[in-house]
This record gives sequence, structure tokens and C-alpha cells, in this order.
Amino acid sequence: DAMVIQNPRYQVTQFGKPVTLSCSQTLNHNVMYWYQQKSSQAPKLLFHYYDKDFNNEADTPDNFQSRRPNTSFCFLDIRSPGLGDAAMYLCATSRDLVEGSYTFGSGTRLTVV
Amino acid sequence: GENVEQHPSTLSVQEGDSAVIKCTYSDSASNYFPWYKQELGKRPQLIIDIRSNVGEKKDQRIAVTLNKTAKHFSLHITETQPEDSAVYFCAARVPGNTPLVFGKGTRLSVIA
Repeated sequence: DAMVIQNPRYQVTQFGKPVTLSCSQTLNHNVMYWYQQKSSQAPKLLFHYYDKDFNNEADTPDNFQSRRPNTSFCFLDIRSPGLGDAAMYLCATSRDLVEGSYTFGSGTRLTVV
Repeated sequence: GENVEQHPSTLSVQEGDSAVIKCTYSDSASNYFPWYKQELGKRPQLIIDIRSNVGEKKDQRIAVTLNKTAKHFSLHITETQPEDSAVYFCAARVPGNTPLVFGKGTRLSVIA
């Protein structure tokens, strides 16, 4: 019943080596979000797309970029991963920003070596 | 912007007892308050939500109460079971084109 699908489930990357995480959805939701979640902490919003309109959080490092080529897919690019970027990355969707219920993906756990 | 505080950060209860988790929010305009449950290694899942036009909502063993005057809302779990053990996140949303703001989470352990 997976409606928000994240690949891969686990990703290991080298320090400084660009990495891309992917998220796809079958819900036809307008909004897609990327959250970073470190151990025992709340999910931290990095950015979101409302359709093709990109919204970056003020404290999201420039090292993090995102692309949304179509309604179904959204990518998180980390240009030069550092050890501090090791975390769970969660993708979520919602129908719009007024209807607030989110559907989360299973996440990608990123390890930086 | 909106700020959400959540307490306690950890909570242990005996099986069958009740658990209460509380959140406060800063923006009185917030009008939507969901609760998510995240089991170990799994995705956060919506378990209950409440909108600002009601004061309480129940779904079997789970209830949420909202006090708009005091700007706080609470999750109540009755007759707790070991499978209730998880991290619970509250969130709040201000009307308009704004995403949810999450609390820091409460790790609930139900001891059999």
C-alpha cells in the first residue's frame, strides 16, 4: 500500500561525494516535502514544493538542493555530504497546504563515511 | 513563526495505564493539530488530528484535546499496550501556505 516511496532505503556515501535521494508518490498530491531527522529529534523541514513552486527554509544549507521534474517525483541532492549530514531523510506529501495531513515515505537512512 | 514545545521527552507507563503527552504552540492563529506515531525504523503515521473549531476528538483508545485559550493540546492514550511504544510527534499549522511545525517528540515506553 506504499503511496510515498523512497529509494534507496539505505544509502552509504563517501565524504564529499554527491548523492541523490529519490521520492515518488501515487497520491497526485500537490505538495512534496523533504525532512531531515537525526536520532531522537523531530523531523526538520529542509524545503517543500507546491506544484513547481520551490520553497526553501531559511536555515537549510546550500549544500542541499531539490528537484521536482513532475508531480510524482522529487529528488534531494546533497552536493558535498559531510559527516553531519548523516541522518534519516523523510519525504512527505500533502494534497495542498490548506489540508494539512501528511503522508510520509519510509525514509532513506544516509550514512557518510 | 510558529513554535511547538512538546513534553515530556520520554514517558514510561505500565501496560493498562494511561499516557498523556502535552504540546504548546505559540501562534494563536494555528488551526490544525495532528499527532504522528513513529515506530522504530518506520515512517511517521498520522494517528489523530484536531482542528481549531473543536475541543476534543476521540478514536477508540486515543483522544486529543485542544485548549485554544491556553494554546495547548494533548494526546491521551488509555489502556496502553506494548504496541503503543513508539515516538509520538505533535504538530501545528498556521493558516495559509505554511507547512506543519513539529514538536521534538516523546518516546513512549509501555512496560508489560
